[in-house]
Amino acid sequence: ELKVEQNPLFLSMQEGKNYTIYCNYSTTSDRLYWYRQDPGKSLESLFVLLSNGAVKQEGRLMASLDTKARLSTLHITAAVHDLSATYFCAVDIPQGGSEKLVFGKGTKLTVNP
Amino acid sequence: GAGVSQSPRYKVAKRGQDVALRCDPISGHVSLFWYQQALGQGPEFLTYFQNEAQLDKSGLPSDRFFAERPEGSVSTLKIQRTQQEDSAVYLCASSLEVFALAGGSNQETQYFGPGTRLLVL
Repeated sequence: ELKVEQNPLFLSMQEGKNYTIYCNYSTTSDRLYWYRQDPGKSLESLFVLLSNGAVKQEGRLMASLDTKARLSTLHITAAVHDLSATYFCAVDIPQGGSEKLVFGKGTKLTVNP
Repeated sequence: GAGVSQSPRYKVAKRGQDVALRCDPISGHVSLFWYQQALGQGPEFLTYFQNEAQLDKSGLPSDRFFAERPEGSVSTLKIQRTQQEDSAVYLCASSLEVFALAGGSNQETQYFGPGTRLLVL
């Protein structure tokens, strides 16, 4: 059974600081997704990482994927308050015609002024 | 363009009542998914449709849960004889292409609706 583990689960940081969120998964997959969820809202797609060594950046967020280590990271640079949200990583399991995503438990990020 | 829409946004049901949750995927999207998200947790897979075919229902927690997508567009998730443990947010997602056909593109990205928050009393 595929397991996806994120750490930390809770992160409180000051504006202007840098930090990294880690996502480990237990079985082979070549596709990893990062989503953002604001309180009471649905999930917004941030990044799709499709191959080993993939790196994508959008604003203050940068995501990378190492399929050999089964590890993805989401790096936050010079955090601002607007980044406060819960961030989920999810791994795609194509099997038997299905493509379900298995999600981590999420990292709740709070950026303090 | 319009995203994935779901209705109702909120539903309060008495224990034992049947409920029906609706999902309108993005027009033209082949794949449709239902997920259940408990408070403070990540979404958990319930079921998957490719057009009108339900190809995977391995995540449905019991036979009280039933989903359909008869014409390959709108989908309904029905929960019979609701229990308190069914209280959660039910998310619908759709994607443009089937994974195997997308060939490693972004077209299999799942786009999520706003969810239906179900509270069973």
